[in-house]
Amino acid sequence: QVQLVESGGGVVQPGRSLRLSCAASGFTFSSYGMHWVRQAPGKGLEWVAIIWYDGSNKYYSDSVKGRFIISRDDSKNTLYLQMNSLRAEDTAVYYCARGDYGGNSRPHHWGQGTLVTVSS
Amino acid sequence: QSALTQPASVSGSPGQSITISCTGTSSDVGGYNYVSWYQQHPGKAPKLMIFDVSNRPSGVSNRFSGSKSGNTASLTISGLQAEDEADYYCSSYTSSTTWVFGGGTKLTVL
Repeated sequence: QVQLVESGGGVVQPGRSLRLSCAASGFTFSSYGMHWVRQAPGKGLEWVAIIWYDGSNKYYSDSVKGRFIISRDDSKNTLYLQMNSLRAEDTAVYYCARGDYGGNSRPHHWGQGTLVTVSS
Repeated sequence: QSALTQPASVSGSPGQSITISCTGTSSDVGGYNYVSWYQQHPGKAPKLMIFDVSNRPSGVSNRFSGSKSGNTASLTISGLQAEDEADYYCSSYTSSTTWVFGGGTKLTVL
């Protein structure tokens, strides 16, 4: 079955960087688009970014564009989110999610999330 | 990329039906049949309940159904059960090739 395990969260100071990872198993990772979605404490879901199955297309929400970079390493079955110039408002649980096909499809299968806290 | 509009809360008694609305614009909900609904229990990851407006993934109860009219999508849960108490989020593809979620609706089963 589809398994997604996020890691890399923690406490980081404003302005610093952090890289999240999402280890995938149970499916052919290189065939699917992948998302990052976040949820601030006590708040709703916010879509962050998507990368297509072959890495050819990447799209971001306005709130992270220019600061976050989504990438993938199909040899390691791993999705990444490089987060730069972090702000207090980036504090959230970050989920990775698999789409239903290679391109721009809805988040379907979700990991359990990793908490990022941006605080001095 | 404004969030889709959902009611903050809805409630119903066991056995009843409830409907949650999700209002967007012609650039998202109204422009594409790519509306999804997610269920999230406290402390858990979201679960896909409806995709492409009205389709259920394998394993999701047929008590859950979806529809769309113009810029507003709806999730209906019939025969409410205690286990349905959760937060529900709609989501849509947008003309900017991005995705957007609604603010979420807390369902209380009385």
